[in-house]
Amino acid sequence: GNSVTQMEGPVTLSEEAFLTINCTYTATGYPSLFWYVQYPGEGLQLLLKATKADDKGSNKGFEATYRKETTSFHLEKGSVQVSDSAVYFCALIRGSQGNLIFGKGTKLSVKP
Amino acid sequence: NAGVTQTPKFRILKIGQSMTLQCTQDMNHNYMYWYRQDPGMGLKLIYYSVGAGITDKGEVPNGYNVSRSTTEDFPLRLELAAPSQTSVYFCASSSGLAGLSEQFFGPGTRLTVL
Repeated sequence: GNSVTQMEGPVTLSEEAFLTINCTYTATGYPSLFWYVQYPGEGLQLLLKATKADDKGSNKGFEATYRKETTSFHLEKGSVQVSDSAVYFCALIRGSQGNLIFGKGTKLSVKP
Repeated sequence: NAGVTQTPKFRILKIGQSMTLQCTQDMNHNYMYWYRQDPGMGLKLIYYSVGAGITDKGEVPNGYNVSRSTTEDFPLRLELAAPSQTSVYFCASSSGLAGLSEQFFGPGTRLTVL
């Protein structure tokens, strides 16, 4: 079946460090891929998405590239800030009528 | 514009009690969803609705019921609470199909069943 695997957290970084959160997926066909972010005390928000192979999603300095050959959608940011501290969820959906399949989430803490 | 609101924020139930988790959205979205998030796990879909009067089961519907009498409201009912239902519950809405439209999430309800 369809599934998403994320790197285990928590991840602790110093401000201005480089961030990578790994995400790999299992799905037949060509799913759409998403990163959602959950700030403390809030609901999930869509951070970025990619709908086909080699697409790059980007938002707020975060980027992720849809890699069909490695079935991956790793999240990166060149210089994290304290305000980026949150839980990040990778997710996929197959087709327009499917439902979102989420990874377990990765907690990021950024220290000043 | 409040988006998606959920009440209560926290609740403790005893085994066998019942309760309703409320969810309201003010974006006139047709699609609404209920997810649960267990500790260390991703979100799993419980039920969803594509419009008033229409609901369908998701991945983990057992022990829950829903109704959708209006576009704005999508309450989730637990009839006989069990410890396995201890979780954080998120409601979400979208303007269209999940694969085509962004889902907007509420802040969640943390439920503990003892």
